[in-house]
Amino acid sequence: DAGITQSPRHKVTETGTPVTLRCHQTENHRYMYWYRQDPGHGLRLIHYSYGVKDTDKGEVSDGYSVSRSKTEDFLLTLESATSSQTSVYFCAISEAPTQGVEGYTFGSGTRLTVV
Amino acid sequence: QKEVEQNSGPLSVPEGAIASLNCTYSDRGSQSFFWYRQYSGKSPELIMFIYSNGDKEDGRFTAQLNKASQYVSLLIRDSQPSDSATYLCAVIGGNMLTFGGGTRLMVKP
Repeated sequence: DAGITQSPRHKVTETGTPVTLRCHQTENHRYMYWYRQDPGHGLRLIHYSYGVKDTDKGEVSDGYSVSRSKTEDFLLTLESATSSQTSVYFCAISEAPTQGVEGYTFGSGTRLTVV
Repeated sequence: QKEVEQNSGPLSVPEGAIASLNCTYSDRGSQSFFWYRQYSGKSPELIMFIYSNGDKEDGRFTAQLNKASQYVSLLIRDSQPSDSATYLCAVIGGNMLTFGGGTRLMVKP
């Protein structure tokens, strides 16, 4: 997806190990978001950021932490991965989410499997 | 907890028919509403947004909003097999979008 990349695209990890997913944008957008998508649950917000070093929790933040040291990068860390965190993770960016017309732009997603 | 509800489907329509996708939301103060399309294995892409009561048309797509009844719908005219995807309804609240679970649409040739 233009202007936003996620890495890695796929990852398999073992239970109990730390995992970091990266979201990188070239659009200089202020807002960045991490969602997870699971069958039957749609997209659920984990954490979001509204500026460098400014972050807040979403509805499913337990077991996750985030950091944003630069405008372009938003990192999601699973401190100690569990099988319940097996999911597809999407990063999204927005400059003015309340303005409506733009909505979000999503990255291509990271498929994480915890074994 | 803000909620956005959609019928998970699948909704099956023949090619050329009108597909009607519905969404209800719980927060009466919600102002802006979005429809995203997501193909299998891909990321969501924005197809429509609406913030005023009534209809908004864009090509074969029409979004309808009724704030009094707290529902928003998406009509797809002349449905094509390429429209087969999951359609996600989303509502803006604060600075974040809350998504419904999505409706899977299948358009049969």
